[in-house]
Amino acid sequence: QSALTQPASVSGSPGQSITISCTATSSDVGGFSHVSWHRQHQDEAPKLLIYDVNNRPSGVSDRFSGSKSGNTASLTISGLQAEDEGDYYCNSYTLRSPTYVFGPGTKVTVL
Amino acid sequence: VQLVQSGAEVKKPGESLKISCECSGDRSVNYWIGWVRQMPGKGLEWMGIIYFGDSTTKYTPSLQGQVTISADTSITTAYLQWSSLKASDTAVYYCAGALNGNFYFDYWGQGTLVTVSS
Repeated sequence: QSALTQPASVSGSPGQSITISCTATSSDVGGFSHVSWHRQHQDEAPKLLIYDVNNRPSGVSDRFSGSKSGNTASLTISGLQAEDEGDYYCNSYTLRSPTYVFGPGTKVTVL
Repeated sequence: VQLVQSGAEVKKPGESLKISCECSGDRSVNYWIGWVRQMPGKGLEWMGIIYFGDSTTKYTPSLQGQVTISADTSITTAYLQWSSLKASDTAVYYCAGALNGNFYFDYWGQGTLVTVSS
């Protein structure tokens, strides 16, 4: 059982905003300040979207934003587009080996 | 930085296998390389990580002893190795890279599909 929980699926219409949550269920994630988000399209490698809760790598659209409240981190996608469909995973630093843990993933569908 | 993985493999149960992940573009050893398993239709799962600088290795407890993670720093290449494959090892394996001191993996290999079938 993962130390992180995510909703199995989230959907929205084009142009809308959606939010995916990632809740830490174990104190092994420490302060939960090293949370990152990855998107994976079908049959492709994951891509980093957000790191350290709310930082965007260069080249990632500003439609993606991250936040955290207590033991729940969130990824918000604004102005939903068809290309945003895919599986989204949160990842956190943890005190347990091997030092990182993924959430179970959330499937995003654009209606 | 680019991570380039070795090609797809088809093996029989009981066979051994070693797949690779070459870090090109930056030949410094200041990176952690992680191996991530994705079984068919399932999510991402960390298997372990290795630091090029001193070969420090950390494994997911449930996989310790089942696989070996190693590295050749002279060619900045990481490896994932099995001594005796099982059908349940069928998966896509990704390597991911993180600069030492960062707590996120921003570089990803293209994935290696390993199929284990009799």
